[in-house]
Amino acid sequence: DQQVKQNSPSLSVQEGRISILNCDYTNSMFDYFLWYKKYPAEGPTFLISISSIKDKNEDGRFTVFLNKSAKHLSLHIVPSQPGDSAVYFCAASGKAAGNKLTFGGGTRVLVKP
Amino acid sequence: NAGVTQTPKFQVLKTGQSMTLQCAQDMNHEYMSWYRQDPGMGLRLIHYSVGAGITDQGEVPNGYNVSRSTTEDFPLRLLSAAPSQTSVYFCASSYSTSGGRYEQYFGPGTRLTVT
Repeated sequence: DQQVKQNSPSLSVQEGRISILNCDYTNSMFDYFLWYKKYPAEGPTFLISISSIKDKNEDGRFTVFLNKSAKHLSLHIVPSQPGDSAVYFCAASGKAAGNKLTFGGGTRVLVKP
Repeated sequence: NAGVTQTPKFQVLKTGQSMTLQCAQDMNHEYMSWYRQDPGMGLRLIHYSVGAGITDQGEVPNGYNVSRSTTEDFPLRLLSAAPSQTSVYFCASSYSTSGGRYEQYFGPGTRLTVT
């Protein structure tokens, strides 16, 4: 049973528009959430994170929103750029779980020029 | 800093063969881990280590062994390769942030095919 789910396997967006990636989790013990970006033939790279004590964290064009009651988080990319085309993984961890990361299945984003 | 390095980049094994995937980091990170990535499954944790001499199992440990004799190295051993172990393997290392969290740095991956 997947504890972290990304229900949209792919997303296509026009350059300059907003990309919204969604992630749902089931484990109430998760209290720290991260987004990773992955290009082909490379390892994932850390993008942005959010602690459960916050509901929003912003870093440049990237904003992560957390809705704890719905066990849902989203990543907004504004404006989207062609270089943002990649696979994005949502991940969750909890201190009670030894800080091990549990990943979602990923969403492939294509930004069209 | 080279970051996290993995060798080999590609490997083809026959069923039943054994091999070791190498992982090294030069950031003096205490925490290292191995993941496998399969289509639609994201990354699943195989084994991890919180420091030299300490290892523990992750979500999918069967068929794999690890050891951590130094801070820098964390090899992953496949004891008897099976086609189900065909995957892309990522090693990661991380440090503890001021909030006690781990943000992991990943290597470039090893693509393994078992025939």
